[in-house]
Amino acid sequence: AQTVTQSQPEMSVQEAETVTLSCTYDTSESDYYLFWYKQPPSRQMILVIRQEAYKQQNATENRFSVNFQKAAKSFSLKISDSQLGDAAMYFCACTQGGSEKLVFGKGTKLTVNP
Amino acid sequence: NAGVTQTPKFRILKIGQSMTLQCTQDMNHNYMYWYRQDPGMGLKLIYYSVGAGITDKGEVPNGYNVSRSTTEDFPLRLELAAPSQTSVYFCASTRQRSSGNTIYFGEGSWLTVV
Repeated sequence: AQTVTQSQPEMSVQEAETVTLSCTYDTSESDYYLFWYKQPPSRQMILVIRQEAYKQQNATENRFSVNFQKAAKSFSLKISDSQLGDAAMYFCACTQGGSEKLVFGKGTKLTVNP
Repeated sequence: NAGVTQTPKFRILKIGQSMTLQCTQDMNHNYMYWYRQDPGMGLKLIYYSVGAGITDKGEVPNGYNVSRSTTEDFPLRLELAAPSQTSVYFCASTRQRSSGNTIYFGEGSWLTVV
């Protein structure tokens, strides 16, 4: 079965500093997508960044970037210049099968200290 | 642009009662999904649909039923509610992969079974 593992239940960072959240996954598929979602206390699922497995270049979205290591099945999220509004749960997810089903990790709770 | 709309947002059920969570999307998406999120966990797939008239089970389908009579609507039926079904439920939708694979989530439905 496909799995996504987030080994850091909680992380903290000082405002304006950089933090990296880890994610590893296990899939037998060759064509898949990886995602990082942010979930604030409202429980809304907010897409942070998306990576297509067949693209070697790491995806970036403003202060958010990923380190995608396909051979190692690793997909970490780096948040630069952390802001108080970045505090939330962060979930890593991977598509499964051709119907875009998502398998989620258990999440990492990020605290940003002023 | 409404996106994915779920109703109700909050509901308290008694053990043994039944109810339907409604989900509607106005983006003409083929694929629709129902996920549940238990406390401290990531989302898990309950059921999904790749088009009107087609549904299939996900990871945790027991105790639920779905139907997809139109492209827009994908209701989730809970039969004989149990405390284990206390969770936050998310509906999601997307086009097929060729359209860029952005997955849109509803705002969630908080269900408590007492």
